[in-house]
Amino acid sequence: GAVVSQHPSWVICKSGTSVKIECRSLDFQATTMFWYRQFPKQSLMLMATSNEGSKATYEQGVEKDKFLINHASLTLSTLTVTSAHPEDSSFYICSASLLGSGFTGELFFGEGSRLTVL
Amino acid sequence: AQTVTQSQPEMSVQEAETVTLSCTYDTSESDYYLFWYKQPPSRQMILVIRQEAYKQQNATENRFSVNFQKAAKSFSLKISDSQLGDAAMYFCAYDGNKLVFGAGTILRVKS
Repeated sequence: GAVVSQHPSWVICKSGTSVKIECRSLDFQATTMFWYRQFPKQSLMLMATSNEGSKATYEQGVEKDKFLINHASLTLSTLTVTSAHPEDSSFYICSASLLGSGFTGELFFGEGSRLTVL
Repeated sequence: AQTVTQSQPEMSVQEAETVTLSCTYDTSESDYYLFWYKQPPSRQMILVIRQEAYKQQNATENRFSVNFQKAAKSFSLKISDSQLGDAAMYFCAYDGNKLVFGAGTILRVKS
């Protein structure tokens, strides 16, 4: 199956700093990538849909200026948490679709990135 | 907006037995996909099974099968011959043009 890799898998940062998380599709081109946030023992909450070459589409309630998403190539999307605060501590998961717009079809998930803000 | 409901926060099953996880969803669409994903302690999301709404036949993947009732908007997952490695959080998901997940069901397998 298709492989999606996330990096870093775990990051600890000080409050007020910015953190970048990368999501790469290793063996396929992903026109669309998705970013999720997951709190312990809870479901995945979609934060934004990232389309290559265009602006990301954010879900209601997600701060665009806080969570910057860039999808500069067909194999890489990045999530930057700006001016991170302890409440931003969470598990962030990316996924990529083989399809374009419309149905997501089968999504391939990264391993996730645990962010801890001190 | 589409919603997915998993009414069982936790389920337990004896090894080698069968367990069914429930899922209902709400949508006004007629064409969509449904999925069951497994998230073990490693947190890596793993696709278990998928169902196209236009197909009446229930999907099966080895020990995993679904009971898809389109009119009732129900999509349950049956795990037969449960194994210790099946222990995980299971998420039901609806795919219209983005994936919407249910709250999840923690499955514990007893030896």
